[in-house]
This record gives sequence, C-alpha cells and structure tokens, in this order.
Amino acid sequence: GNSVTQMEGPVTLSEEAFLTINCTYTATGYPSLFWYVQYPGEGLQLLLKATKADDKGSNKGFEATYRKETTSFHLEKGSVQVSDSAVYFCALSLPNQAGTALIFGKGTTLSVSS
Amino acid sequence: NAGVTQTPKFRILKIGQSMTLQCTQDMNHNYMYWYRQDPGMGLKLIYYSVGAGITDKGEVPNGYNVSRSTTEDFPLRLELAAPSQTSVYFCASSSPTGTGNTIYFGEGSWLTVV
Repeated sequence: GNSVTQMEGPVTLSEEAFLTINCTYTATGYPSLFWYVQYPGEGLQLLLKATKADDKGSNKGFEATYRKETTSFHLEKGSVQVSDSAVYFCALSLPNQAGTALIFGKGTTLSVSS
Repeated sequence: NAGVTQTPKFRILKIGQSMTLQCTQDMNHNYMYWYRQDPGMGLKLIYYSVGAGITDKGEVPNGYNVSRSTTEDFPLRLELAAPSQTSVYFCASSSPTGTGNTIYFGEGSWLTVV
C-alpha cells in the first residue's frame, strides 16, 4: 500500500544548527510530496511541496528534493531558529485516489533552544 | 480570508452522547476531508467528499457519519461517542488541478470523551 515513513523524534537542536528530517515513501503510482508544519495549538500549514522527480520545494529557508530513485523527500534547513519549533509532517498524495487525500507520516517534533 | 473554519474548538462529551463538528470553507473547493490526529500517529483520513452530494469512507470511518449538501459545508457526526474517539479533528479542503494538489486545513477541534 501507500505509506510515508519519517524519522522518529523528538529532534532537539540549538539555534543556528543544521536540520535534517528524513522522509521516505512507498507509493503505487507517481505521488506528489509535501511537508506540512504544525505549531503548538494550531492546524497544519503547507511548508513546501514537489510534484515530480528532482523537483526542489523551498520555503522559509527549508528545502526538500523529490528523489524518485531513493523514494525520499528529506527536509533540510541550514540554520534553525527557536521559532521553527513545531511538528513536521511528511505526506504524499496520488491523483484519483481517495480524492487525492494526503497520506501522512507520524510527524517529527523539532525543539530548538537558544 | 477565512479559509477553512471548524467549530467547536473544544468539546467534552460523555460516553454515548452525540454531536456534530461543523466545517465550512469559503474557497469554493470541490474536495473536502475530515482527519483525526492521535498522539504519535500522524493524521488518519475519516471521510472525504469530492463534491456536493458525494461522500466516501477513508481509512478510519467507523463511528462517524458525514454529509455534503453544499459545496461549502462538510459536517462530521459522532452518533454514540466512545473514549476511542478522543482526538483532535481537522477539516480540510482542496481544489485539485492536476498534480500538486494543495490541501488547506482548519485549526482543529479538540474532542474529549469521558
């Protein structure tokens, strides 16, 4: 079946450290890939997305590259800030499946200290 | 812009009670979704709808019902609340145009069944 696996958290970093959150997927078709972020007490917000192989999504200093050969979509940021503390979800969607609903990973909690 | 609005934000129910979570969107999106989020489990799809009058089950539909009489509204009904339904519920909507469908989420409804 279709699924998303992301690294277990929590991830604890100091301000200005480099961040990587790993995400791999299994899909029967050719998915679109997403990273969503959830700040405490809030809903999910789209962080970035990529729709085809080798696409790079980027936003707010975060980036992720769609790697079809390794079925991965790792999230990276060169220098994290305290305000980046949140839960990050990797997700995929497939056209014409369940209304193109998102299939989520379990989420990775990031905690950044000053 | 309102986006996706869901009410109530918080609710405590007794076992066996029923309630409806309301969801409305003002983006004229055809597709709408209900997810539940349990700690450490990511988000699971409960029901989805691809247009007014059309609904379908997601991954975890048991204990819930939905209706879609208008494009804007997609209420979620819990008929006989059980402690296993204690969760955070998110309504979402999208308007797919080929690949890369972006889904927009409401702020969530925290439900506790005691």
